[in-house]
Amino acid sequence: DSGVTQTPKHLITATGQRVTLRCSPRSGDLSVYWYQQSLDQGLQFLIQYYNGEERAKGNILERFSAQQFPDLHSELNLSSLELGDSALYFCASSASISTGDNYGYTFGSGTRLTVV
Amino acid sequence: QKEVEQDPGPLSVPEGAIVSLNCTYSNSAFQYFMWYRQYSRKGPELLMYTYSSGNKEDGRFTAQVDKSSKYISLFIRDSQPSDSATYLCAMRGNAGNNRKLIWGLGTSLAVNP
Repeated sequence: DSGVTQTPKHLITATGQRVTLRCSPRSGDLSVYWYQQSLDQGLQFLIQYYNGEERAKGNILERFSAQQFPDLHSELNLSSLELGDSALYFCASSASISTGDNYGYTFGSGTRLTVV
Repeated sequence: QKEVEQDPGPLSVPEGAIVSLNCTYSNSAFQYFMWYRQYSRKGPELLMYTYSSGNKEDGRFTAQVDKSSKYISLFIRDSQPSDSATYLCAMRGNAGNNRKLIWGLGTSLAVNP
């Protein structure tokens, strides 16, 4: 167990729907990062939050949004889902504020999203 | 052309073999090089981290960076079935946009008993 908890583990939903993925970071970590992993694109950084505030944005679509709550857990909201959004979504956490200090990440086990 | 290229494999070797995994990159500003291991149905975990050029050894694992050739390698000695996983390289520079971590697609490795 890495200490980063993601729920749900699997999600199957229809095109056009909206889903929420949840992440609880490792105890003491203030940064949460969201990644999307697909076979053809690999790991793509979506967004980072540090202590409740958005810190860095990557290749995140406008249909996607995220937030980090006062208890430091984070949610990634995906709306108007398309077939191409099917992927593994990972959350990672670190104690560091800087998106550059990525080597200090701890990843969760991911949420597998299937859009049908 | 992707900034980081990694052969996806799959690579299949017998137990005890020496495994060589590689990535090439195009951005000469990259200074920090990492190897992550990802087991099936799990998130990536940091395996090795190297700054700039040179070698780093940790048990059966050796990471090498050749900045002149823009080429990094991970060697696994005496490979074990438990090493079967996907290995991802990741790297970044030191400043500005180069601080963003760039990932390879990963190489799938199977070590057969």
